[in-house]
Amino acid sequence: GAGVSQSPSNKVTEKGKDVELRCDPISGHTALYWYRQSLGQGLEFLIYFQGNSAPDKSGLPSDRFSAERTGGSVSTLTIQRTQQEDSAVYLCASSGSFLAGGTDTQYFGPGTRLTVL
Amino acid sequence: QKEVEQDPGPLSVPEGAIVSLNCTYSNSAFQYFMWYRQYSRKGPELLMYTYSSGNKEDGRFTAQVDKSSKYISLFIRDSQPSDSATYLCALAGSGNTGKLIFGQGTTLQVKP
Repeated sequence: GAGVSQSPSNKVTEKGKDVELRCDPISGHTALYWYRQSLGQGLEFLIYFQGNSAPDKSGLPSDRFSAERTGGSVSTLTIQRTQQEDSAVYLCASSGSFLAGGTDTQYFGPGTRLTVL
Repeated sequence: QKEVEQDPGPLSVPEGAIVSLNCTYSNSAFQYFMWYRQYSRKGPELLMYTYSSGNKEDGRFTAQVDKSSKYISLFIRDSQPSDSATYLCALAGSGNTGKLIFGQGTTLQVKP
């Protein structure tokens, strides 16, 4: 079946504008993650969804960042009033389930490359 | 200090060489250890996943975990130009989320 897809693949915006990034997880995957990868940096966790709930938002860097998930499927990451330091690749991953005390393979999408001018 | 430290390289080796990639970590709560491979402008893909200390082998790849030293390694035997990529170690704890803590990634180039 299809893997994780993300759109747009590239986004160039001006400082101060809002942007929305979309993630379509693998069908049936209940867990969804957003990560950010800045130039020369490893992946930084942003937020975790189980179904439509977000029990872990600890990685969101500021209140300009928000995310939602609807129907236990598609997720949108919104960045308001973008700043130049928001420029990065935003990666989404999904996994089949998460068992307390365990973990599961996360499958990553290709990412959205965001450039804030 | 970062939770996971990984030398970013770059690391350049000739084809056929044995490659050793390493990460150290500081939090003994990490229980799950993974290696991801990321090609340029692609998402990371899982290479190896281990739970306990010791070695795990898969083809040309061997993952090694030493929990007592908080040190993990990935060995690539008979390296190929197609192995040229960025290799990221990723760790997870036993908490209530599956979030991964990644190292910075090591960029590997295998020259023909």
